[in-house]
Amino acid sequence: AQSVAQPEDQVNVAEGNPLTVKCTYSVSGNPYLFWYVQYPNRGLQFLLKYITGDNLVKGSYGFEAEFNKSQTSFHLKKPFALVSDSALYFCVVRDELGYQKVTFGIGTKLQVIP
Amino acid sequence: DTEVTQTPKHLVMGMTNKKSLKCEQHMGHRAMYWYKQKAKKPPELMFVYSYEKLSINESVPSRFSPECPNSSLLNLHLHALQPEDSALYLCASSRTGETNEQFFGPGTRLTVL
Repeated sequence: AQSVAQPEDQVNVAEGNPLTVKCTYSVSGNPYLFWYVQYPNRGLQFLLKYITGDNLVKGSYGFEAEFNKSQTSFHLKKPFALVSDSALYFCVVRDELGYQKVTFGIGTKLQVIP
Repeated sequence: DTEVTQTPKHLVMGMTNKKSLKCEQHMGHRAMYWYKQKAKKPPELMFVYSYEKLSINESVPSRFSPECPNSSLLNLHLHALQPEDSALYLCASSRTGETNEQFFGPGTRLTVL
């Protein structure tokens, strides 16, 4: 079985400050972790993924995420938040034993305040 | 072409109607997905096709009937829907394998009266 948790419904951050959106996961095999962003009334866009290798993953629009195996976490980060980053962010997990299943977190709404 | 297209963008239907949602991609992806998304909720996986064969059906009611006529097209046939089926229906595609990211279409906003 696989599951993913996003403990915060909403994160507020001032423009220019660093942001973190949290994600923890549970899988049976090796985890494959993804972050997607959804802007209002639009489909989802892929930001980045962790498959194996370097624990720090860099993605689109200046986002990065750190994989921590011992804490089973994959937090999304950005050093300087922009108002245009305001959106809904989903953490997604798949695992090598998941047989194509895809599990989404509940989503975290990021609000960047000018 | 890195785009997934979905038609129509909006659909309003009665509970006795039959309608279809369409999804198309030309990225050569052999895995395609249907999701249902309610407002302010995460997408819920409905169906997965791999090499044009249905590989996952997440216990979706039979009033939803998927079809994958070829490697570029994915349809979702709708019949006798309920008002609670009103939602945003998202199509996605990817290369096969769990390590590959999905490309999502913009969705079809479905309202069942």
